[in-house]
Amino acid sequence: IQMTQSPSSLSASVGDRVTITCRASQSISNYLNWYQHKPGKAPNLLIFAASNLQSGVPSRFSGSGSGTDFTLTISSLQPEDFATYYCQQSYSRTPLTFGGGTKVEIK
Amino acid sequence: QVQLVQSGAEVKKPGASVKVSCKASGYVFTGNYLHWVRQAPGQGPEWMGWINPKSGGTSYAQKFQGRVTLTRDTSISTAYMQLSRLTSDDTAVYYCARDKSGADDTFDMWGQGTMVTVSS
Repeated sequence: IQMTQSPSSLSASVGDRVTITCRASQSISNYLNWYQHKPGKAPNLLIFAASNLQSGVPSRFSGSGSGTDFTLTISSLQPEDFATYYCQQSYSRTPLTFGGGTKVEIK
Repeated sequence: QVQLVQSGAEVKKPGASVKVSCKASGYVFTGNYLHWVRQAPGQGPEWMGWINPKSGGTSYAQKFQGRVTLTRDTSISTAYMQLSRLTSDDTAVYYCARDKSGADDTFDMWGQGTMVTVSS
């Protein structure tokens, strides 16, 4: 299953609302996870099963979607949110696949 | 403290093998599958396979079948990833990642990553 993210990068300011999309090449129900990755650090799970906030993740992060189209939204961008974000499908293990990433940069 | 700690960076020549370790602490090692994911420079993450630490059972991505071997030592709560017949395309950061709810293919904790460089 191919996962396509858009945009591949974006520039935004602190306080902006940011939306990242992820499209699957076939229906994956709600088997979609989102991760944040900062350089030199381990990736961090933000959202699981499309819309469930992982424990300890700020509520400004939210996820939505089902089937083939999904969205990660950051309601008010904070300085610590500048990172690369990846979606990952957990519908099919043959193989598990990630999107190509969306890099969120400071405007 | 719940964490996964990986072994240090490696430099290998083409054709060689590499073995990366991942030591778990702060939780029951046999309670959650462990996955291995790699990320080459400028690319998205790529899933390699998983191991069930309780049974030792494994599953590998077809791309890596025959070249990757996942093992574990429950006595020291450590998992291993061995990749053989290395080429320059295997230059990447390799991560172990814990399965969130046993075996649901969601990764709730990751190791810090191990850089593997393949160069002659």
